Amino acid sequence: QVQLKESGPGLVQPSETLSLTCTVSGFSLTSYSVSWVRQPSGKGPEWMGRMWYDGDTAYNSALKSRLSISRDTSKNQVFLKMNSLQTDDTGTYYCTAEASYWGQGVMVTVSS
Amino acid sequence: DVVLTQTPPTLSATIGQSVSISCRSSQSLLDSDGDTYLNWLLQRPGQSPQLLIYSVSNLESGVPNRFSGSGSETDFTLKISGVEAEDLGVYYCMQATHAPYTFGAGTKLELK
Repeated sequence: QVQLKESGPGLVQPSETLSLTCTVSGFSLTSYSVSWVRQPSGKGPEWMGRMWYDGDTAYNSALKSRLSISRDTSKNQVFLKMNSLQTDDTGTYYCTAEASYWGQGVMVTVSS
Repeated sequence: DVVLTQTPPTLSATIGQSVSISCRSSQSLLDSDGDTYLNWLLQRPGQSPQLLIYSVSNLESGVPNRFSGSGSETDFTLKISGVEAEDLGVYYCMQATHAPYTFGAGTKLELK
């Protein structure tokens, strides 16, 4: 059974760095790609970036200067790090495998 | 970036009614590999998005066959043949041909 679960802090201070983890089960990260998608409350989703099955990465150019995606295949985990957070980075952050499987999402609030 | 324009923004339907949602792309979504990476997702209130249709017209496993997708290049349509109560929510088209992947603004399906 394929599952993805996001974890990380619910509250981040402005200008600080967000670190999220996506833990997957039921498939191998070397066989399927995992993307990060975020969604401000009441708005549509935004694709942030992707960890390809072969270890390559792709980023949304609007976020590329602040964003890093990595993985640990031995732990079945994909990581997101984004620096210089501002209030408009507030929203729900999802990880998804090929858009077929989605985590429950983690709500992140950027506030002092 | 590819802009996906969804219409209508809101759709009111009765149970059993057939409805269609349009998604128009600012550029062709035909990939060099011959596939067209246009997906349709449904997000029910308080839930993660769910993949309904991938690559224009392929029904995701477990999705009822009252959902169907069609189109090519820049014009795509999602049809629901006989709306059921569980279909209510926001529908998004999403393209994964050109990075950054992008989403339409969404179509909210509600009961009339």
